[in-house]
Parts: sequence; C-alpha cells; structure tokens
Amino acid sequence: NAGVTQTPKFQVLKTGQSMTLQCAQDMNHNSMYWYRQDPGMGLRLIYYSASEGTTDKGEVPNGYNVSRLNKREFSLRLESAAPSQTSVYFCASTQFAAGGRSSPLHFGNGTRLTVT
Amino acid sequence: DAKTTQPNSMESNEEEPVHLPCNHSTISGTDYIHWYRQLPSQGPEYVIHGLTSNVNNRMASLAIAEDRKSSTLILHRATLRDAAVYYCILRDGGSQGNLIFGKGTKLSVKP
Repeated sequence: NAGVTQTPKFQVLKTGQSMTLQCAQDMNHNSMYWYRQDPGMGLRLIYYSASEGTTDKGEVPNGYNVSRLNKREFSLRLESAAPSQTSVYFCASTQFAAGGRSSPLHFGNGTRLTVT
Repeated sequence: DAKTTQPNSMESNEEEPVHLPCNHSTISGTDYIHWYRQLPSQGPEYVIHGLTSNVNNRMASLAIAEDRKSSTLILHRATLRDAAVYYCILRDGGSQGNLIFGKGTKLSVKP
C-alpha cells in the first residue's frame, strides 16, 4: 500500500519556467491538500479539494493552480516560477464524512523545489 | 477556522515523559483535536486525535481539558527517535474546510 505518492522528489527551475507537481493516493480518500513548507517554518495550505471536481483556495494560493484530475490524483501547477516559490511541497489526503468521526491526514514525502 | 498556539521548542531527557501543550481557546463544538509530528526531511505523520475524552494509542496519549480550550500530548517515555516538530491542529467534523497548521513545537531529546 503506497499511501500518498508525490513526483518528482526534487526539481530545480529557472525563474519563469513552469512545472506541474503530481500527487496520487491509493486509499480512496475524497479530500486532498497541497501545502508548502519554507525552511524552519510550519506548513501553509495552498489549495485543497474536498471532493472530486471541487477545489478551494487555502492560505497562500497566489502563483499556483490545481487540478483534481480524478479521485486519486491532485496536481499543483506553477505557471511562471519565482524564487519566492522555493520550498518543500507536501500533498496530503483524508476521508471526510460530514457528521462522522474525524479521520487522519496522510502525507506524501514531499517535493523539494528550488527556483533560481 | 480556529487556530492553535504551541510553544516554539521544548527539551526532554531520554526515557522521561514529555508533555506537549496546545491552546485552542476558540475551539468549536465540532472541532476534533489532531496531533501530527514531522521527523527531519519527512512529511508529517499522524499521532493521535480526540474530541472530548482523553485518548490513548501505541504512540502517545492525548489529554483534553474539560472546557476543551487546551490539550496536552503525552509521550510516556521519550526516545531519541521522538525528536521532531509536533503540530496540534483543529479539524471541523461538521464541515470540510481549511486545515491550518501553525509552526508547531520542536522537541529535542537528550540522551
């Protein structure tokens, strides 16, 4: 059982380049999240998807777009990378059921992105 | 969404208990209290969660104040592998929404 898989693990971009970070989960979870973590800092929510076909902004959405391709996959796109987007990006998933017991978040191991 | 407040850092000796506090004074009735930890160069991992009653699992115990405005994660015997950043967050069980992490508490364990 792989859990949450993120690709690539590492990436170096030049300013202005674009790229897509991929995330897939095999736990049949309905909700997925993208976070970024800057050195020595906590996690900040970029975007989330409560269910297939829906996405919502988090704390720091500027400069990013997301796609919930299907129930398994949630991608994060940087259209024109900037040095301020140098960070570690984490994808997470969970099963949400209104009125039900809260279930844990499962995280991937991250994508380390450097923008020069 | 309600926010949490944790100390920036704490120290413990190996094999001693550790009590990690979290304040959440604006918690709502449907918010669950979740704890996660992040080892160096890894993604966060789930530790424990609860709503009103104290909870125990193989990793830790969670003590929730009667008014639910604070909670404490208890590691009964700290090991060097418990050195990590510990995050306390609130999850609304009644609706989907932002899951906001703060900076967490960096726990150092001395041999």
